[in-house]
Amino acid sequence: DAKTTQPTSMDCAEGRAANLPCNHSTISGNEYVYWYRQIHSQGPQYIIHGLKNNETNEMASLIITEDRKSSTLILPHATLRDTAVYYCIVSPYNTDKLIFGTGTRLQVFP
Amino acid sequence: GAVVSQHPSRVICKSGTSVKIECRSLDFQATTMFWYRQFPKQSLMLMATSNEGSKATYEQGVEKDKFLINHASLTLSTLTVTSAHPEDSSFYICSARDHRNQETQYFGPGTRLLVL
Repeated sequence: DAKTTQPTSMDCAEGRAANLPCNHSTISGNEYVYWYRQIHSQGPQYIIHGLKNNETNEMASLIITEDRKSSTLILPHATLRDTAVYYCIVSPYNTDKLIFGTGTRLQVFP
Repeated sequence: GAVVSQHPSRVICKSGTSVKIECRSLDFQATTMFWYRQFPKQSLMLMATSNEGSKATYEQGVEKDKFLINHASLTLSTLTVTSAHPEDSSFYICSARDHRNQETQYFGPGTRLLVL
């Protein structure tokens, strides 16, 4: 499985956009980019995923570079409740495994 | 939609006893469920993959005789920690993949196990 590199931690002001980067330079053609987040002492929450095209849903937007070697998760208007650890995972479609790295700890401050 | 529940949410047991944790997909059928373990300040580690009607597949280093997994129906998988010891104390999390949407796994809220 391709590995990902994320910053250990980031801060964001409430109401501003949070842009979380992820590098996945060894991603294969059949691997999707998934984003999950984990709020303290809870199970991970699915956010969004994509293959090639940019994706948007009610929670976030996912921007994938043309060469697919990196991506950015965008939370357009961060709130205090968005404080969590954000995991970027690359994995083949219909795979049995999601391998979690260390993620990015996002702290949203007032 | 896509809700996964776990029971119990937390459990305290004595060393040497067995503990069963249930994972249910509430509004979808899951042919495949997954069990993860998370120690404090660490990331999730996949323990095993549970397939309905067949034996679970365990990750390297996970003892199948200690962590018994049963996936008897399309909405229920159970993890039994047998002869639990204090080092088994952890946060156990399950996930399930919707058979209609194979692309995404949905996670339960987790079960915190404390072995005294």
